[in-house]
Amino acid sequence: DAGVIQSPRHEVTEMGQEVTLRCKPISGHNSLFWYRQTMMRGLELLIYFNNNVPIDDSGMPEDRFSAKMPNASFSTLKIQPSEPRDSAVYFCASSVGGGRSYGYTFGSGTRLTVV
Amino acid sequence: AQSVTQPDIHITVSEGASLELRCNYSYGATPYLFWYVQSPGQGLQLLLKYFSGDTLVQGIKGFEAEFKRSQSSFNLRKPSVHWSDAAEYFCAVGGGYSTLTFGKGTMLLVSP
Repeated sequence: DAGVIQSPRHEVTEMGQEVTLRCKPISGHNSLFWYRQTMMRGLELLIYFNNNVPIDDSGMPEDRFSAKMPNASFSTLKIQPSEPRDSAVYFCASSVGGGRSYGYTFGSGTRLTVV
Repeated sequence: AQSVTQPDIHITVSEGASLELRCNYSYGATPYLFWYVQSPGQGLQLLLKYFSGDTLVQGIKGFEAEFKRSQSSFNLRKPSVHWSDAAEYFCAVGGGYSTLTFGKGTMLLVSP
């Protein structure tokens, strides 16, 4: 099993540009989570999908952020337009059945720098 | 609302010494509890989990944790720390249909 796969690993972009982060969950996992990690705020849950349907997006900071899960094997997190304060490490995680029994499996993250 | 407190931001331990990282949680019912480790530049890796049964749970890399309901705690322990254990450690709580809530982490430094 290749685990949760995120791309790109690093992204540097200019303020105002669109950024798309990608995630491939573990096959058979039906829950997917996007987290943002910063020194100031720690790990923040942005959005949670179950069976490809967004269940809780209350953590999405503002309308500039959007996430999709068109099928069970792929999800994207898009920021448009990007701002320097969006600089962070973005993690995708997947689990079976919400993860409360088995925990989440995390990808290696995408380090986003907006200049 | 559920929450997790990791009171120690940083801890320094000598190599070979024992380790205990503290975690206190708030949850209205029987919690599911987890410890994760994050090495620099990596994602979070699950060390161990508790959701029922024996309150002392064993995990990977020689770690263990003890669930104490009366103290709302789930402290992580290791009898002898190795330099490769230097990392950031996160405690998390969940249950029911809620997502996991993570603490802010404890950075473990290992001195020679």
